[in-house]
Parts: sequence; C-alpha cells; structure tokens
Amino acid sequence: TQLLEQSPQFLSIQEGENLTVYCNSSSVFSSLQWYRQEPGEGPVLLVTVVTGGEVKKLKRLTFQFGDARKDSSLHITAAQTGDTGLYLCAGARYNFNKFYFGSGTKLNVKP
Amino acid sequence: GAGVSQSPSNKVTEKGKDVELRCDPISGHTALYWYRQSLGQGLEFLIYFQGNSAPDKSGLPSDRFSAERTGGSVSTLTIQRTQQEDSAVYLCASSLARGLAGTGELFFGEGSRLTVL
Repeated sequence: TQLLEQSPQFLSIQEGENLTVYCNSSSVFSSLQWYRQEPGEGPVLLVTVVTGGEVKKLKRLTFQFGDARKDSSLHITAAQTGDTGLYLCAGARYNFNKFYFGSGTKLNVKP
Repeated sequence: GAGVSQSPSNKVTEKGKDVELRCDPISGHTALYWYRQSLGQGLEFLIYFQGNSAPDKSGLPSDRFSAERTGGSVSTLTIQRTQQEDSAVYLCASSLARGLAGTGELFFGEGSRLTVL
C-alpha cells in the first residue's frame, strides 16, 4: 500500500494548457517535496514545503501544502513541452529524514 | 564526477543468480538511500543509512535483499537468488541531512536497471 497517492496517474495535454497534480495521504508529514524525473535519469528536486498551508511559486509552477499537512498539489500554468516527465511527491514523517515517495504522475505535453 | 554514481547501469542476470549493485554517494553526504522503481512508477523505499547509526532496513522486501555501507561512503545492495519480480531500476540517493529534518535535498544517481530472465 502506497503511503502517498498521486492523481492523475497519467496526463496528456496540449502546450499552453494548465494542469494540477495532487498528492494525498491519510498520514501527517513534517515536510513534502516534489521531484521531476526524466527517462533514464534520477529524480531532481523541484521544491520543499514545510509549513501547513504554505504556497511556493517557481516561475510557472505553484506548490501548495495542505493545512493539515496530509496533502499537496502542484499546479503548472501554460505548460510547455519541456515540462514533460514523471512528477513525484515525497514526504518525511515525524522529523525523520526517511522519505516516502508517491505513485507518480506521468505528464506528456504535446506541441 | 561530483554527483551520485551507480554501477552497473544495466545488469541482465538469470533467475537464481546473485547480483551486487554499487552506489558512490556525493562526498560528505551522511545519508544514503536505496529505492526501487518499476516501469516508471513511484519509488519504493528499501533501506536508509544515516552516519554511524543502525540502518533502517524496514523497506527490504525479503531476506534475499541486503545492503551495507562501508566507511560511511560507498554502499552495495546485494540481491541473492534473484527472481523475475526483482526486475526494476534500483536508485541510490544521498543527502547532507542537515537542518530541519525532512528538508534535505535527495541527490539521485541514474540508477541500475536490473533484468532477471
């Protein structure tokens, strides 16, 4: 059983569209991270959120940590083909450095 | 290089054989993780080393799996008597593990793709 569930599992959109990826759990996390992975490579960190209700923006990407620290979302505005990849959320619990990863969302942005 | 290095990048083996996968973390990183990823899905936690503390082995799927980290640096993941369901990409990551717990960035290697025939 996955501790963190992501939805949707697959997403195929046209360039310029907006999208939101969700990361949900019944457990509370002390922090939540989002990673992006391209084929044949390891995941690369996009952002870390640590405060319930926190919102972070990185250019066209907006990340939110739920008030109860059980869920998070990633919103991409005006998607580009370069955004294509596997998006993974990862949570750490109880102030430990052990990270649990979500099931992943595979995004394909078509030109 | 300055990143996490894993070897071999690809390994094809026959069912029942033992395999060893190696990870060279970033110099100075005290935390080291092994994850398993199947078919471009999410990452399954296997084992976590932090400094000189006893490793967290809670994610190892069976006693056929073991890992060690020598001298606080290089780590080896060993799979004995491999089975077809062991086929996956095995990813290693390291982290400085400083500051607020759970906020350190994980730096991943490119993974070792294992295929068990």
